[in-house]
Amino acid sequence: EAQVTQNPRYLITVTGKKLTVTCSQNMNHEYMSWYRQDPGLGLRQIYYSMNVEVTDKGDVPEGYKVSRKEKRNFPLILESPSPNQTSLYFCASRGTGYNEQFFGPGTRLTVL
Amino acid sequence: SQKIEQNSEALNIQEGKTATLTCNYTNYSPAYLQWYRQDPGRGPVFLLLIRENEKEKRKERLKVTFDTTLKQSLFHITASQPADSATYLCARPSGAGSYQLTFGKGTKLSVIP
Repeated sequence: EAQVTQNPRYLITVTGKKLTVTCSQNMNHEYMSWYRQDPGLGLRQIYYSMNVEVTDKGDVPEGYKVSRKEKRNFPLILESPSPNQTSLYFCASRGTGYNEQFFGPGTRLTVL
Repeated sequence: SQKIEQNSEALNIQEGKTATLTCNYTNYSPAYLQWYRQDPGRGPVFLLLIRENEKEKRKERLKVTFDTTLKQSLFHITASQPADSATYLCARPSGAGSYQLTFGKGTKLSVIP
């Protein structure tokens, strides 16, 4: 089954404690991205990657890092989380052309 | 960056009626627009894509239009059912030839039995 998986699905942490949210896709897609979704603000892109070792900032990259060492994986790293990073996070992937974007199930992060 | 707006935050409609959701964009016409459905706490799911040179696209009870003069796309659900209740998002490429998508904030549709 074609899918994007994320882990963990839920996470409660404290300010400053480094965390990683993993993302993996099994569709051999070149393009992967991370979004956060907040009430009233919609989906906002954090980072994206066009291929292995190629990443770039989206609209809200501050406080986040990513890496793309393998085509299937695109982890999101919060080196020093802060309460304003409390949000619902989605990983997504898509192939080339006008293709649809596949989203993961989401990770609900709470930073205390 | 290219903007995309969904003017209605929420829309309530009686079961069996046609729901019509609006998406407006600014600047140049995108090569295509996409529509997604999102259920609470879940990831968006792709529904339809319409290209710039297509006026209308249909899939079962769904219909999407693309009007480059009005800079607008309309999304219709005919014979709406309570199971159609969800948030619907439209999306456009963030730039010419870009794989990045810019999403509207969505319209929450509630179909009342």
